[in-house]
Amino acid sequence: AQKITQTQPGMFVQEKEAVTLDCTYDTSDPSYGLFWYKQPSSGEMIFLIYQGSYDQQNATEGRYSLNFQKARKSANLVISASQLGDSAMYFCAMRADQFYFGTGTSLTVIP
Amino acid sequence: DAMVIQNPRYQVTQFGKPVTLSCSQTLNHNVMYWYQQKSSQAPKLLFHYYDKDFNNEADTPDNFQSRRPNTSFCFLDIRSPGLGDAAMYLCATSRVAGVNSPLHFGNGTRLTVT
Repeated sequence: AQKITQTQPGMFVQEKEAVTLDCTYDTSDPSYGLFWYKQPSSGEMIFLIYQGSYDQQNATEGRYSLNFQKARKSANLVISASQLGDSAMYFCAMRADQFYFGTGTSLTVIP
Repeated sequence: DAMVIQNPRYQVTQFGKPVTLSCSQTLNHNVMYWYQQKSSQAPKLLFHYYDKDFNNEADTPDNFQSRRPNTSFCFLDIRSPGLGDAAMYLCATSRVAGVNSPLHFGNGTRLTVT
């Protein structure tokens, strides 16, 4: 069965600190993509970062990096040097036969 | 900038009164999607178009219909909105349906049913 699991409903981080948002997935497909999206309170879903199942190196995009551990089926998002504007809902997603979304993690950055 | 645009940003409709939400894209992507997202939940796929081919999710109510008159535009019609249809409706596109193709979302339309 295809499934994405985010076990942290809410997280807090001090401004300028790093934070890791957890994501595990389950699929029997050999080829899949892993994605992270940010959803601020205004509602739009913003694409942050992508990792392919065959990629050897972890993806990075600016302050975002994806810690991909294929054997453990995890794809954690690391945000370095947190900013107040990072406060939002974060969704992990997997694309195999279709897109599957996790339930999201609400991140609050504390000044 | 190439983008996905949804109108209106906020929509209020009365119980049972048909409503149409619109989405346009300048990305020239082949695939367009409609998602429903209720508060504190993940987006739920309603249907998608691959070019002109319509794909309905099995659990999408018949009350929801969609039209894609051309590559750039896609509409979501709710024939008889109920209170339970109040939600954020997100339009998204992807260039193709491959595993490495991200979804690009519009700003969403927040629907209120009174």
